[in-house]
Amino acid sequence: QKEVEQNSGPLSVPEGAIASLNCTYSDRGSQSFFWYRQYSGKSPELIMFIYSNGDKEDGRFTAQLNKASQYVSLLIRDSQPSDSATYLCAVSSGSARQLTFGSGTQLTVLP
Amino acid sequence: DADVTQTPRNRITKTGKRIMLECSQTKGHDRMYWYRQDPGLGLRLIYYSFDVKDINKGEISDGYSVSRQAQAKFSLSLESAIPNQTALYFCATQTTEGNEQYFGPGTRLTVT
Repeated sequence: QKEVEQNSGPLSVPEGAIASLNCTYSDRGSQSFFWYRQYSGKSPELIMFIYSNGDKEDGRFTAQLNKASQYVSLLIRDSQPSDSATYLCAVSSGSARQLTFGSGTQLTVLP
Repeated sequence: DADVTQTPRNRITKTGKRIMLECSQTKGHDRMYWYRQDPGLGLRLIYYSFDVKDINKGEISDGYSVSRQAQAKFSLSLESAIPNQTALYFCATQTTEGNEQYFGPGTRLTVT
């Protein structure tokens, strides 16, 4: 059974701070890693993906991948109240490239 | 216009009733997926389809069936709904070559 674990949260940070979201996965053959943002009652929205070890930056978001440690993280710099949402980590593996999702981390950015 | 649409958006039904949830997409993607989401459990895969003739069970297919009527349409049926099928249901699409999935707006289903 492929597993994806996220820090359960909820996580609260003050506005302007860095929010750090973490995810570990069990399948060493996993190939691609995704972060989705989900506002309450809405559908998941893809915000970042990463395929290679290291860091990938997109605006205020940085995804970090360490395949040896089976660990992927998302950093949100200069957090804004509009970043308050649940963040889902998803991992793709196998020839079918199915996604396995973590249970999500709820982030609240306090004004 | 939304690329992935789901109907209905909300549905309340009674135990034992048959219900169909529909998904349509204009993205031209070959792959389509059905997930359910329960509080604290993330998204779990029910069924997925790589094309009209290729349908596969996911992690939690018991109690569900699907139909891929066309490349653009993928329906999920609950043959005899039960209360623990109360959840938020999402359809998603993906290209054959890509890894990213794109989600519809969801259907909130309540079985009483």
